[in-house]
Amino acid sequence: NAGVTQNPKFQVLKTGQSMTLQCAQDMNHNSMYWYRQDPGMGLRLIYYSASEGTTDKGEVPNGYNVSRLNKREFSLRLESAAPSQTSVYFCASSDQGRGTYGYTFGSGTRLTVV
Amino acid sequence: GQSLEQPSEVTAVEGAIVQINCTYQTSGFYGLSWYQQHDGGAPTFLSYNGLDGLEETGRFSSFLSRSDSYGYLLLQELQMKDSASYFCAVRDGVIKAAGNKLTFGGGTRVLVKP
Repeated sequence: NAGVTQNPKFQVLKTGQSMTLQCAQDMNHNSMYWYRQDPGMGLRLIYYSASEGTTDKGEVPNGYNVSRLNKREFSLRLESAAPSQTSVYFCASSDQGRGTYGYTFGSGTRLTVV
Repeated sequence: GQSLEQPSEVTAVEGAIVQINCTYQTSGFYGLSWYQQHDGGAPTFLSYNGLDGLEETGRFSSFLSRSDSYGYLLLQELQMKDSASYFCAVRDGVIKAAGNKLTFGGGTRVLVKP
């Protein structure tokens, strides 16, 4: 049982390049999320998917797009990377109800844009 | 907008008790969660309070007062391994519509000294 798997773990991009961050969960969770975390700060929500087939913007969606490919997979795309997008990106998933509301996080993607 | 306030840093010695306060101002409120994050790691879920009162999980307890928009995490019998950042997070939407969407505070760095 792997939980939430993110790839790649590290990435360096040049300004203007594009890339897709991959996320997959094997816990049959309905909801998935993408957060970014800048040094010494909390997590800010980029996009989320409450259930398969739906996606919504979070607090900081500009410069990003997402795809909920199926119930397991939720990808995050940077179309034209900027230095301000240098951050650690965490994918998370959660179940709905059943008395528990905790997220399971992936190990993160450390992205540097130069 | 959403706002969560927690102290930036707390230092204590092994065996001591630490209380991390969290006050929030959110447009909606459906529960307060706490997460632990070690340096370089992913956040891990610690506790959830949907109703007023105290929830106890081993050495950690969490409290919520909805009328005061306030909660705290209590760490007892501190151990060196408890040195980490702790984040409070508010669920501010109805699950069916918004999944388990969370807004995180900026985090409290706890340093445990021998």
